[in-house]
Amino acid sequence: GENVEQHPSTLSVQEGDSAVIKCTYSDSASNYFPWYKQELGKRPQLIIDIRSNVGEKKDQRIAVTLNKTAKHFSLHITETQPEDSAVYFCAATQGGSEKLVFGKGMKLTVNP
Amino acid sequence: NAGVTQTPKFQVLKTGQSMTLQCAQDMNHNSMYWYQQDPGMGLRLIYYSASEGTTDKGEVPNGYNVSRLNKREFSLRLESAAPSQTSVYFCASSIKVGWGSSGANVLTFGAGSRLTVL
Repeated sequence: GENVEQHPSTLSVQEGDSAVIKCTYSDSASNYFPWYKQELGKRPQLIIDIRSNVGEKKDQRIAVTLNKTAKHFSLHITETQPEDSAVYFCAATQGGSEKLVFGKGMKLTVNP
Repeated sequence: NAGVTQTPKFQVLKTGQSMTLQCAQDMNHNSMYWYQQDPGMGLRLIYYSASEGTTDKGEVPNGYNVSRLNKREFSLRLESAAPSQTSVYFCASSIKVGWGSSGANVLTFGAGSRLTVL
């Protein structure tokens, strides 16, 4: 089955810096790669996603890149703000199914 | 629209007791899911249902049963709770966006149910 590895597990940055979170996946048939943000005590919420037929996608301060050959994808956050502090999860579909397999999450702390 | 509603929000059980977590969505989504979240372990899929009347095991199905009662509701049952099942449980539903191989199921999560087994 699909295995999604996420690193680093924690990251602390100063406000205004950039943050990068990297994920790798194992199933070459995976075709959808979303990123979820979970604030403390709240539910995960989708912030951006990318499909296997696209290499890069950007939405304001966040962007995601996908390298299908290397089986890795990354989330980039620019000009970080304290409200970006949360746990971020990457995920990938298991083969051609609807099942999403999540990474273990990365706790981002943005210091004012 | 309420989105995805889970009940109860909190529950404390003794080892060996049984209980059912309820989940309902009002977005007319076909697919529904149950995930388990433990610190440092991410979100692990317990069971999912692609449509009414169908269910499929996820990564960690042992000790759980599910029932897709109708299109709106997907329940998770613990027949004999164990301390290892102390966790936060999230229900989610999804709708497919796009077509064919470029389509994707975008998940909407409920608020979560925190279960403690003593």
